[in-house]
Amino acid sequence: GAGVSQTPSNKVTEKGKYVELRCDPISGHTALYWYRQSLGQGPEFLIYFQGTGAADDSGLPNDRFFAVRPEGSVSTLKIQRTERGDSAVYLCASSLDKGNYGYTFGSGTRLTVV
Amino acid sequence: GESVGLHLPTLSVQEGDNSIINCAYSNSASDYFIWYKQESGKGPQFIIDIRSNMDKRQGQRVTVLLNKTVKHLSLQIAATQPGDSAVYFCAENSGSARQLTFGSGTQLTVLP
Repeated sequence: GAGVSQTPSNKVTEKGKYVELRCDPISGHTALYWYRQSLGQGPEFLIYFQGTGAADDSGLPNDRFFAVRPEGSVSTLKIQRTERGDSAVYLCASSLDKGNYGYTFGSGTRLTVV
Repeated sequence: GESVGLHLPTLSVQEGDNSIINCAYSNSASDYFIWYKQESGKGPQFIIDIRSNMDKRQGQRVTVLLNKTVKHLSLQIAATQPGDSAVYFCAENSGSARQLTFGSGTQLTVLP
């Protein structure tokens, strides 16, 4: 597609449930990033993929968070045992490769944990 | 730890005036900076970037200035328009993954 697509755009879940957030990057972009944006704050880095591998997951807050990119294109961010503090907008960005600075962001998934 | 921050959380300007949004950064090793615009319900949109070997870069109606001595960035928007109303972030590109470190943002409101 023309841009980075994220689904769903909104997700409401109950505390303790499991959620999956999907990112479909721009075709041909090998680098993919996940960020989390809390209300009134700038996005914070979570994880970076180069191709299929998670090259840097240093931003993941704890082991409840996990992300995959099995075929080097679509990525899924998975959150287990959700907590109210996980409520935020989860943004995905892609670029041609690491070091190529043309990041394109998706519109994000707004996750609300009730 | 290292961070990127903004001086002012909100800025209101009259339509047609120039806007200046400021940003301080603390990582003296940073070599690349980007300004993003974010409208409600959307992801950050690239506006302009600058590398550390430059002190000024101009785009269409926007100019970014970099002062490495005091670790300060600014974004200047000429002839501000209602469509410029948004939150503006500066971001530092660094780290092994070349990830972005964002400040908390400035809300720009353009008054009619």
